Amino acid sequence: GQQVMQIPQYQHVQEGEDFTTYCNSSTTLSNIQWYKQRPGGHPVFLIQLVKSGEVKKQKRLTFQFGEAKKNSSLHITATQTTDVGTYFCAGGTARQLTFGSGTQLTVLP
Amino acid sequence: GAVVSQHPSRVICKSGTSVKIECRSLDFQATTMFWYRQFPKQSLMLMATSNEGSKATYEQGVEKDKFLINHASLTLSTLTVTSAHPEDSSFYICSAPGQATDTQYFGPGTRLTVL
Repeated sequence: GQQVMQIPQYQHVQEGEDFTTYCNSSTTLSNIQWYKQRPGGHPVFLIQLVKSGEVKKQKRLTFQFGEAKKNSSLHITATQTTDVGTYFCAGGTARQLTFGSGTQLTVLP
Repeated sequence: GAVVSQHPSRVICKSGTSVKIECRSLDFQATTMFWYRQFPKQSLMLMATSNEGSKATYEQGVEKDKFLINHASLTLSTLTVTSAHPEDSSFYICSAPGQATDTQYFGPGTRLTVL
């Protein structure tokens, strides 16, 4: 079945540094979604990418979908302590999502 | 956006007892809901798909007799963990598909601790 891997598993950064997490799927994805889960909380939808090579920005967050639609990345510029949490990518549709392993981000003040 | 609630948020029970978790879609109807389990520092693993008016679909390796799912209405799905054991301790999260978007809306989760 479909597998979605993320790297790194953990990332510690100093506040103000940039952060990137990478997502790779074993199969071509119809779309890629990104979720953020704060410690003790539940996943919250951030964004969905559908088109090959698509790039979307949300303030300091930049999301990219690979040309082959098998990989994606999330880049945070100048991290803040509010960015702390685990970032998951997920491939599929609303009816069938496969979550990546997640990247846990710690931002040191 | 769409809101999904879960109850209870936390439950502690003794080994051998059964625990029921409710998942409600508050402002929309959900013919399908999903139940996930998340162990500490791990990703979300889909356990089953709950279908209103029909049997749930379970993922491979999930015991249907242990994790009973009932989707009694268009806004309510329940997950009952029967004869719970310490290894069932986990964070259980439900979700429902978005109406206008191809995403899922997640409930706040239920943290189950089995002593």
